Amino acid sequence: DIQMTQSPSSLSASVGDRVIITCRASQGVSHYVAWFQQKPGKVPKLLIYAASTLQSGVPSRFSGSGSGTDFTLTISSLQPEDFATYYCQKYDRAPLTFGGGTKVEIK
Amino acid sequence: EVQLVESGGGLVQPGGSLRLSCAASGVTFSSYAMTWVRQAPGKGLEWVSSVSGDGAYTDYADSVKGRFTISRDNSKNTLYLQMDSLRVDDTALYHCAKGSGIHYSRIDYWGQGVLVTVSS
Repeated sequence: DIQMTQSPSSLSASVGDRVIITCRASQGVSHYVAWFQQKPGKVPKLLIYAASTLQSGVPSRFSGSGSGTDFTLTISSLQPEDFATYYCQKYDRAPLTFGGGTKVEIK
Repeated sequence: EVQLVESGGGLVQPGGSLRLSCAASGVTFSSYAMTWVRQAPGKGLEWVSSVSGDGAYTDYADSVKGRFTISRDNSKNTLYLQMDSLRVDDTALYHCAKGSGIHYSRIDYWGQGVLVTVSS
């Protein structure tokens, strides 16, 4: 099965910082990667799908890139409401594996 | 507005069974694949199982294969997860989630989840 490895597992950043989270697939998954944001006690929220398509209503400071095995989620200017845990997921075929998550904390 | 409401969770002893349900509204249910995702306390998201919109295709995580069965009743707009031979490490919040297409696809809506606790 294809594994999705996220890095880092956690990071500390300040408001206004540029944040980059990476997700590496153990085999190619084309562009079938989504990114979710989850805040404590809340359900995950879809941010990006098809590796780089911004979900409707998501602020443009979020962007995604990549194809094949290497993917990135970038937050161009971190806002207070962006402190959360972020997950990538492959959805080309089963298993629809999630990455281990990246917790973004306040520095 | 799409709504997904899970039910059927609770406390069960190891080796026991539970059946989770997920009632969908605001959507043409049969047009979309559905998925169960779980999250153990303090842990990350884990894909559990998916079923295609017509119910013809099902898949399972290795951790639940042979113990869990996903199914759907499109006439009732309801998704199910039959969980047998439950283990302590199945303890988690179980979310049902809607795909964006009839086959496996990105998740675009999530239910609030139902808690399953496996303990003696």
